[in-house]
Amino acid sequence: QVQVQQWGAGLLKPSETLSLTCAVYGGSFSNYYWNWIRQSPGKGLEWIGEINHSGSTNYKTSLRSRATISVDTSKSQFSLKLTSVTAADTAVYYCARFHYYYGIDVWGQGTTVTVAS
Amino acid sequence: DIQMTQSPSSLSASVGDRVTIACRAGQSITNYLHWYQQKPGKAPKLLIYTASNLQGGVPSRFSGSGYGTDFSLTISSLQLEDFATYYCQQSFSPPYTFGQGTKLEIK
Repeated sequence: QVQVQQWGAGLLKPSETLSLTCAVYGGSFSNYYWNWIRQSPGKGLEWIGEINHSGSTNYKTSLRSRATISVDTSKSQFSLKLTSVTAADTAVYYCARFHYYYGIDVWGQGTTVTVAS
Repeated sequence: DIQMTQSPSSLSASVGDRVTIACRAGQSITNYLHWYQQKPGKAPKLLIYTASNLQGGVPSRFSGSGYGTDFSLTISSLQLEDFATYYCQQSFSPPYTFGQGTKLEIK
């Protein structure tokens, strides 16, 4: 049974850097892409980006300049950094396991990130 | 980026009803379309992958169809636990965009 567990700071000030990490337990780390998705209060799901075991990444177009996803295969972990946050980045952030054919089948528990001065 | 548009945005129905939610892609995505269910305060749950494949453990009253640009999710007989928000997502090309969601409410 594959599980992903995420953690990171939940309260940030404007202009700070959001930093979240997700650990993968069980299953194959190399056969999937590992995603970050967020959901602003009362809004829909927003795909942020992804990474695979070799470090290949893709990002949402509008976040490409501020988002960096990295991977540590030795620990089966991947991370998200989002620079220069504003109130618009306030959201629940999810890490997840993704396959282009099978969809997103494993989700983290979500981390609420609030940006406020 | 491929735009995904769901309709309706909200839907009121009764237990036992048959309901269908539509998802349209801005360009052909062949069958790389997935459906998720989300309940308040919870992470989304995968229901259907690649347009029509039922994820393990998902009740058979859920079904999906479509190809190209037009897709649908059907719930054959609504149960109380099905009242939730539903999202489609394309995985044809990154960024892997979601539809805006369809909120299914009790009539």
